Amino acid sequence: DIQMTQSPSSLSASVGDRVTITCRTSQGITDELAWYQQKPGTAPKRLIYAASTLQTGVPPRFSGSGSGTEFTLTISSLQPEDFATYYCLQHNDYPWTFGQGTKVEIK
Amino acid sequence: QVQLQQWGAGLLKPSETLSLTCAVYGGSLTGYYWTWIRQPPGKGLEWIGEINYSGKTKYNPSLKSRVTISVDTSQNQFSLSLNSVTAADTAVYYCARISRSVPYLWGQGTLVTVSS
Repeated sequence: DIQMTQSPSSLSASVGDRVTITCRTSQGITDELAWYQQKPGTAPKRLIYAASTLQTGVPPRFSGSGSGTEFTLTISSLQPEDFATYYCLQHNDYPWTFGQGTKVEIK
Repeated sequence: QVQLQQWGAGLLKPSETLSLTCAVYGGSLTGYYWTWIRQPPGKGLEWIGEINYSGKTKYNPSLKSRVTISVDTSQNQFSLSLNSVTAADTAVYYCARISRSVPYLWGQGTLVTVSS
């Protein structure tokens, strides 16, 4: 299985801050990575696919970058509605695997 | 607008079989891959497996001996069966449609609790 190392596991930030979440994979996955946002009691919402393609309807303050084994999700200016848990997902090889999640909390 | 609605038993005893169904409304199963993902309470996401409209499947090896995903195109539904459940299978189970190669459209989730 491809191992996912997502960091940090949690962070505290203020509205307006720039936030960066990293996902590292145990082997190269080209750009076969997606990012999801999940709020309590709801299903995950796709933000980014193909490592850097913004899902239609997602605000442009979200961006993704990376290829190979290191990937980043950046929120350029954190908004109140962005406080949530974020997950990366690799789909380069079966079984698909998720990162452990990053909980973004209000400072 | 395509929507997924899922249902199934929410409380099971150890050794019983988990059965969930996901219905597709406002669209067709045909032409897409469909997946099941679960999330234990307070924990992360785990991919269970996927199926396409013709019944081709892929399963997570960690569950492969116990899991079956099937599709019923006449009912526009797909289903998950997981046998010999234990407390470790307690989770919210999600169905989802795959587009752009990854899950995009999700069901509402079903909490399945395994307890004696």
